[in-house]
Amino acid sequence: NAGVTQTPKFQVLKTGQSMTLQCAQDMNHEYMSWYRQDPGMGLRLIHYSVGAGITDQGEVPNGYNVSRSTTEDFPLRLLSAAPSQTSVYFCASSRPGEGTDTQYFGPGTRLTVL
Amino acid sequence: AQKITQTQPGMFVQEKEAVTLDCTYDTSDPSYGLFWYKQPSSGEMIFLIYQGSYDQQNATEGRYSLNFQKARKSANLVISASQLGDSAMYFCAMREGSGGSEKLVFGKGTKLTVNP
Repeated sequence: NAGVTQTPKFQVLKTGQSMTLQCAQDMNHEYMSWYRQDPGMGLRLIHYSVGAGITDQGEVPNGYNVSRSTTEDFPLRLLSAAPSQTSVYFCASSRPGEGTDTQYFGPGTRLTVL
Repeated sequence: AQKITQTQPGMFVQEKEAVTLDCTYDTSDPSYGLFWYKQPSSGEMIFLIYQGSYDQQNATEGRYSLNFQKARKSANLVISASQLGDSAMYFCAMREGSGGSEKLVFGKGTKLTVNP
C-alpha cells in the first residue's frame, strides 16, 4: 500500500492563480480530510469528507473547494490564491471502526503564494 | 477558548531520560478521543498513541505512554528512555464524538530536543 499520497510536494503560485492539490489513498478509507499548518500553529481542518459525494466544511474553509467523486481521491482547489494561503497542506484518511480511528497523513504539500 | 492547550513551546531532555509533554483539553462531549502525533523536521505527521475517553487504562505503545487524567482534562505524553531520534515537534489532538466525526483539533505543539 502506498498509503496517502499528495502531489505536488512544492508549489509556488502568484496571487490570483488557481490550482488543485491532489490527494489519493489506496486503503479504501471512507473518511478523508484536508488540513493546513501555519508556522507556530497546529493543523487546522479545511474540509472533510465522510464518503464519496459527501463533503463538509471544517474550521477554515474560505477560499477552498473540494469534491469527492471516488473513494480514493479528494482534491483541494484554490480558486484564487492569496498570500494568506501560504502554508503546508496535509491530506489525511481514516476508516471508522478501526479501533483508534487513526488518521493517516500524507507527506504534505508546501505552498507559497507570492 | 482553545480546545487543546500545549503549554510547553519547547522542552529539552537528556538522552536515555524520560520526558513528559503536557496537554490539556476542553470538551463537554462525554465521548472523545485524544491523539499524539510526532512531526520530525522532514515534515510528515506520525501517529504515536490514542486514548479514548471511555478507556479504563492509560494507553501505551512501546516507549510512549499517555497519562490520562480525565477529571483534570489532561492527556500528557510520556516518552521513556529518550533517543536522539525523538527530537521533533509533538502535537496533541482531540476528536469529539465517538467516531464518525473526523474533525481533529490540534494544539500548537511542543518542540522536543534530545541532547546527547
